[in-house]
Amino acid sequence: AQRVTQPEKLLSVFKGAPVELKCNYSYSGSPELFWYVQYSRQRLQLLLRHISRESIKGFTADLNKGETSFHLKKPFAQEEDSAMYYCALRGVGIQGAQKLVFGQGTRLTINP
Amino acid sequence: GAGVSQSPRYKVAKRGQDVALRCDPISGHVSLFWYQQALGQGPEFLTYFQNEAQLDKSGLPSDRFFAERPEGSVSTLKIQRTQQEDSAVYLCASSLYGGGGQPQHFGDGTRLSIL
Repeated sequence: AQRVTQPEKLLSVFKGAPVELKCNYSYSGSPELFWYVQYSRQRLQLLLRHISRESIKGFTADLNKGETSFHLKKPFAQEEDSAMYYCALRGVGIQGAQKLVFGQGTRLTINP
Repeated sequence: GAGVSQSPRYKVAKRGQDVALRCDPISGHVSLFWYQQALGQGPEFLTYFQNEAQLDKSGLPSDRFFAERPEGSVSTLKIQRTQQEDSAVYLCASSLYGGGGQPQHFGDGTRLSIL
């Protein structure tokens, strides 16, 4: 079964503090992992994906297959990072597995 | 193009009415997806089109839900005999093609409220 778990529905940190949003997944195979973000009154948009191994807006995420995790991290939080964050996985190579499976989301609030 | 466009943005219907939700994907995008997002939850997959072919409809919750994309561009999600549990945000996404490495681009969604 494909499943994504984001254990924290709410996360609040102070500006300048490190941030880590947790994501664990369940998938038998090689998934693609993504982080999507939704800022207030905006549409869901892609933040980053594990295959790109990139850093976007200071965020990074490393796929740990041993722990089946894809946690999102940023060393110094900024107020504009306040948003809803969704972790998602996509199965590869199986017809019908092109869909994204999302976690419940974590609402991140950065306090000034 | 401006991105994925969905209409209407908001829809209120009485229980038992039929509704139709429209999605206009990014021009040239082969793959189109519909998701349902209940309050406080992440989006959940409903159905997937590659051009005009509906390749996966495993997420449609009942036979009251029907989706089409007759010309491989605009798609319509229809819900017949709506019920209160159908209240949700319906998201449409498109990608250049459905294969690995291609991100899905989302629309603003249609917020459906069933009274």
